[in-house]
Amino acid sequence: DSGVTQTPKHLITATGQRVTLRCSPRSGDLSVYWYQQSLDQGLQFLIQYYNGEERAKGNILERFSAQQFPDLHSELNLSSLELGDSALYFCASSVVSSGGANEQFFGPGTRLTVL
Amino acid sequence: DAKTTQPNSMESNEEEPVHLPCNHSTISGTDYIHWYRQLPSQGPEYVIHGLTSNVNNRMASLAIAEDRKSSTLILHRATLRDAAVYYCIPSGLLGGSEKLVFGKGMKLTVNP
Repeated sequence: DSGVTQTPKHLITATGQRVTLRCSPRSGDLSVYWYQQSLDQGLQFLIQYYNGEERAKGNILERFSAQQFPDLHSELNLSSLELGDSALYFCASSVVSSGGANEQFFGPGTRLTVL
Repeated sequence: DAKTTQPNSMESNEEEPVHLPCNHSTISGTDYIHWYRQLPSQGPEYVIHGLTSNVNNRMASLAIAEDRKSSTLILHRATLRDAAVYYCIPSGLLGGSEKLVFGKGMKLTVNP
């Protein structure tokens, strides 16, 4: 158990819908990262938040957005869903930045299926 | 982002040592070398990381070449639980972020 929790575990929805994925980082971790894992693209970095502020963006679509709340939990919002958005979405957390030496702790993921 | 090259797959026998190689010839001088693994149906799991010197922890050892262009993850006694996809990831503080850029990884099969 990494200490990172993600809900829901599974999500099945239809094209055009909007969903929200939730992540609670490990106690004390200020950074939250979102990654997407699909069969054709592998594991891809989407976005990072640090203590409530956006820190970095990766290959995140404009239809996707995220935020980190004062209690440090984070939500990833996916809208106008397409079949190709079906994937595993992982959240990871880490402590304060230390020049690249931090390990990231990953949650169990949310499996999104768009029908 | 530094490019990495790993074999697509490797096989090992249970209770034998296994050496997982990685080439990262374009690594920057300040990047750490991280190894993560992903067991089936789970999220990635941190294994080990290092900068220049060899590193040991309870899971594995990391041997880093003197020129830092390659590294080897060493599992001293492979177990069935070590069967996973292993990712070698050079990572540093790029633009204030320590994001991980995953490649295709290497699938390790452990035979009983």
